[in-house]
Amino acid sequence: QSVLTQPPSVSAAPGQKVTISCSGSSSNIGNNYVSWYQQLPGTAPKLLIYENDKRPSGIPDRFSGSKSGTSATLGITGLQTGDEADYYCGTWDSSLSVHAVFGGGTQLTVL
Amino acid sequence: QLQLQESGPGLVKPSETLSLTCTVSGGSISSSSYYWGWIRQPPGKGLEWIGSIYYSGTTYYNPSLKSRVTISVDTSKKQLSLRLSSVTAADTAVYYCARRLGTVTHFDYWGQGTLVTVSS
Repeated sequence: QSVLTQPPSVSAAPGQKVTISCSGSSSNIGNNYVSWYQQLPGTAPKLLIYENDKRPSGIPDRFSGSKSGTSATLGITGLQTGDEADYYCGTWDSSLSVHAVFGGGTQLTVL
Repeated sequence: QLQLQESGPGLVKPSETLSLTCTVSGGSISSSSYYWGWIRQPPGKGLEWIGSIYYSGTTYYNPSLKSRVTISVDTSKKQLSLRLSSVTAADTAVYYCARRLGTVTHFDYWGQGTLVTVSS
């Protein structure tokens, strides 16, 4: 059981937009930055979004992040087949004294 | 370009100690700007933070694993190490090392990971 809650799967057609939600509480998302990671099949996670809405160098602006209250959202526009991957949200939890907690992951299928 | 490479036995017997090393290249492990962490992922499951370490040796562990985990750093070899004692099948996972900018920030660089299977 993950501390952060994500939908197990989402799907959309190429070229469309999709959003992935991440729900937490005041001890994690509500008072801390959220990051998002993309994990392509058989590879390590890759940082997509940090500090809620910032993109590392090299990440296209098709990827966006936002946070409101105790929830965060990853948005992906102009979907490509290469975007098929598992996506994880992450933050830290002050009440659990856990310096990194992650969502259970969302599998994105580009139909 | 910073690179992290995990290494160690791919098979460990139950009740024994899992030992892994992460070698850092293309950057400094001794920079005061960064922390280094271990994260694991059981097959088909999500990510779990194991612990983090600063180059000075200060460590932070996941409370759920704290009694069994030791993370250390050897700055001369540019390596960090993970030891997990009394392993069971539940410890079977891909183990990643990663870099972060602070004790509770995001992980910006990850190693490719190494699968460790616990089985007799």
